[in-house]
Order: sequence, then structure tokens, then C-alpha cells
Amino acid sequence: QKEVEQNSGPLSVPEGAIASLNCTYSDRVSQSFFWYRQYSGKSPELIMSIYSNGDKEDGRFTAQLNKASQYVSLLIRDSQPSDSATYLCAVNIRDGATNKLIFGTGTLLAVQP
Amino acid sequence: DAEITQSPRHKITETGRQVTLACHQTWNHNNMFWYRQDLGHGLRLIHYSYGVHDTNKGEVSDGYSVSRSNTEDLPLTLESAASSQTSVYFCASSESRGDTEAFFGQGTRLTVV
Repeated sequence: QKEVEQNSGPLSVPEGAIASLNCTYSDRVSQSFFWYRQYSGKSPELIMSIYSNGDKEDGRFTAQLNKASQYVSLLIRDSQPSDSATYLCAVNIRDGATNKLIFGTGTLLAVQP
Repeated sequence: DAEITQSPRHKITETGRQVTLACHQTWNHNNMFWYRQDLGHGLRLIHYSYGVHDTNKGEVSDGYSVSRSNTEDLPLTLESAASSQTSVYFCASSESRGDTEAFFGQGTRLTVV
């Protein structure tokens, strides 16, 4: 089982719709979760971080965390063509006495005008 | 402004040659990471460092080495380049070990022929 898993997509949504991106992780004691956006040919950039169970909202973005189910999601409301990118889920995973930041394979989102 | 820079941006090398990719950050972050990104695999952790003289192996460390002689730099060395190491390499740094944002460099596209 991969430590962080995402559906690779592509996820296609019409402009103005809600895009829902999902991620599961294997380490039950992980405490830090991140969503990065990566445009083609560019480096990843952070869009959301979440550390506690529940929802965290930032503008059109909402991150949802359920530690019992080892599940984190990202909702994008009023999707725009400019949101078309690959969305990477990242989780802080235990590595013996230390931690490492592990990424999922990413979900490609395509917002259709 | 603080930043993280990688060099070169593009490199073509021959099988068997030693190659070093540079990463320099001015954030004064203790934590630095090297990832490779390939289609279908997402970002995979190669090596990481939590401070000067500290290095740790990631998921795909075979054939790679790093050294950390100062806070600003974490060069990645491919001891004997192989075609399987053709990839896009990203360096990142963060303020803490797992609960804050990681900032990424622009990436280095390496082709081994």
C-alpha cells in the first residue's frame, strides 16, 4: 500500500462547478496535511494546509480532514479554467525517529469553460 | 526576497558520468529535501536533511547522495548516471520538520543518454 494515494484523474468539471479531490494516507499518527497545486512545467505551490479534523476554508478552497478514516480532501468552489492543474496531496509521515513529507501521485483537474 | 534556486535548469549527460545538481536557499531553513518527479509516480523523496551534517535516505535513494556542509546548500550527486534517472528533480526547504509549508525550487530537467 502506498503511503499517500490519490486518483490520478483526469477529473473534468465545468466552469462554476465544485471540484472534489480526494487523498488517503497510511500512517495513523500523521498530524500535518497539505494540498499543493502544480501547473504544467512549473514547481508545486502550497494552497492549503490542515492539521485538525474537520473543515478549513480559504476563499474558494476548503480542505477536509478525517483522521479516523485517514482521509483528506480538497473542494474547489466556483471552479475556473485557471484552476486546471495537478493537485498534489502531501502528508507528514513518520520515519523512525523523524518525519518525512510524502506526496501522492497527484490528480489532474481540467475545468472546462 | 528569500528564495530557493536550482542549477542547472536543464542538463543532458551520458550514462556512467557523475552529475551534481545544485540547490541553494536563502530562507535560512534547516530542512531541505530532494524529490524526483516522473509521470505516474508523482513526487518521490530521494534524500532529506534536517541540518548541517545531517542526511537521510528517502524512498528512492539508490544511486544518489547528498551532503550538507552549510545551511544554504544541499547538492544532489548522481554517482554514475543511468537512463532510469532521467527525470525532473525538485529541491525544497521548510522551516520545520513536517508541519509547515515546503518551498520548492524551479526544478532541474535531467536527461541521461
